[in-house]
Amino acid sequence: AQTVTQSQPEMSVQEAETVTLSCTYDTSENNYYLFWYKQPPSRQMILVIRQEAYKQQNATENRFSVNFQKAAKSFSLKISDSQLGDTAMYFCAFNYYKLSFGAGTTVTVRA
Amino acid sequence: DVKVTQSSRYLVKRTGEKVFLECVQDMDHENMFWYRQDPGLGLRLIYFSYDVKMKEKGDIPEGYSVSREKKERFSLILESASTNQTSMYLCASSLSGAQGNEQYFGPGTRLTVT
Repeated sequence: AQTVTQSQPEMSVQEAETVTLSCTYDTSENNYYLFWYKQPPSRQMILVIRQEAYKQQNATENRFSVNFQKAAKSFSLKISDSQLGDTAMYFCAFNYYKLSFGAGTTVTVRA
Repeated sequence: DVKVTQSSRYLVKRTGEKVFLECVQDMDHENMFWYRQDPGLGLRLIYFSYDVKMKEKGDIPEGYSVSREKKERFSLILESASTNQTSMYLCASSLSGAQGNEQYFGPGTRLTVT
């Protein structure tokens, strides 16, 4: 299995501020996909954002954006203007024929 | 909207029991997956299926089996439950054809084996 590392088990951020979650991965493949999934407390996991390795442009979805550094095998997620509803566990995932997940980062947004 | 449902949110079983976890999706997805989620370990793939009656081992298949008799239904079977199988189990589905396809997850089944 591919290795996905999320080095921050927990992060806390004040409402309206910005938080960045880190993710690194290990692979020898050249074309693959990367994802960030969000799991709110007691709710279903949903996709936040995805990035194709061949695309150099960083993906953006509203307040969520990524910094994809292919050579460094790094894929961080930035949440801008944090909202209380962003409180969740966030998982970084790598897909090359099957999805491999990191351990997750719990994000708490404080009012 | 894609809907993935799982038969139970919470389940308590005794060691040695045979356990069935059911997953149903309503969007005609070819691919279905079973994961277990443990603190500090993230999600780990147990089995997946890309077609009816087809199955592939994931990263941690030991102690589990699966069944896919119909396209919309994917069952996870614990032949003889053990305490180390206490975990959250997540089912997911996706369209086939592209690795960028999103996986849609069910709400999870929290299984406790005593």
